[in-house]
Amino acid sequence: GESVGLHLPTLSVQEGDNSIINCAYSNSASDYFIWYKQESGKGPQFIIDIRSNMDKRQGQRVTVLLNKTVKHLSLQIAATQPGDSAVYFCAETGIQGAQKLVFGQGTRLTINP
Amino acid sequence: EAQVTQNPRYLITVTGKKLTVTCSQNMNHEYMSWYRQDPGLGLRQIYYSMNVEVTDKGDVPEGYKVSRKEKRNFPLILESPSPNQTSLYFCASRTYRGRFHGYTFGSGTRLTVV
Repeated sequence: GESVGLHLPTLSVQEGDNSIINCAYSNSASDYFIWYKQESGKGPQFIIDIRSNMDKRQGQRVTVLLNKTVKHLSLQIAATQPGDSAVYFCAETGIQGAQKLVFGQGTRLTINP
Repeated sequence: EAQVTQNPRYLITVTGKKLTVTCSQNMNHEYMSWYRQDPGLGLRQIYYSMNVEVTDKGDVPEGYKVSRKEKRNFPLILESPSPNQTSLYFCASRTYRGRFHGYTFGSGTRLTVV
């Protein structure tokens, strides 16, 4: 069945360093992927998205890379700040289009001072 | 401010006592959905609605009901709550217009059934 997973459940980085969060997906037919950030006590917040016809997309301090050959998605956060501490989820729309999102388990990112 | 509002934020109830979690969005979004979030299981879809009077089951619909009588509201109903429905619940919405920007989520409702 559809599944989206993450390689590591936790990640700690020093403030100011770059961080990379990885995600593996199983549905090769998925055409849309999203990264969400969830801070403690809050709902998931949209960070950045990418369509399957792209392999890279950049936002402010964030970059998403998509490798369809190995069904791998990554989120790069540049110059991490304390406010980046959160759980990060990847999600895909799956073969049904956008009726639902299939979420990965999440990676907890901790920024050390 | 564009947002999805859920109420209550926290709720403790007893087994079998009917409850409703409300969800309202002010963005004129057509699509609304309910998710539950559990440790180790991530976010799973309960029900979704593509527009007024159009609802359908997600991955884990058992024990839940929804209705969509108005575009802005999408309440989640637990007719007879059980302890296995103890979870963190999120309502989300999105529009079909323009570029797909993902979902806007509410702040969550933490439900405990004892």
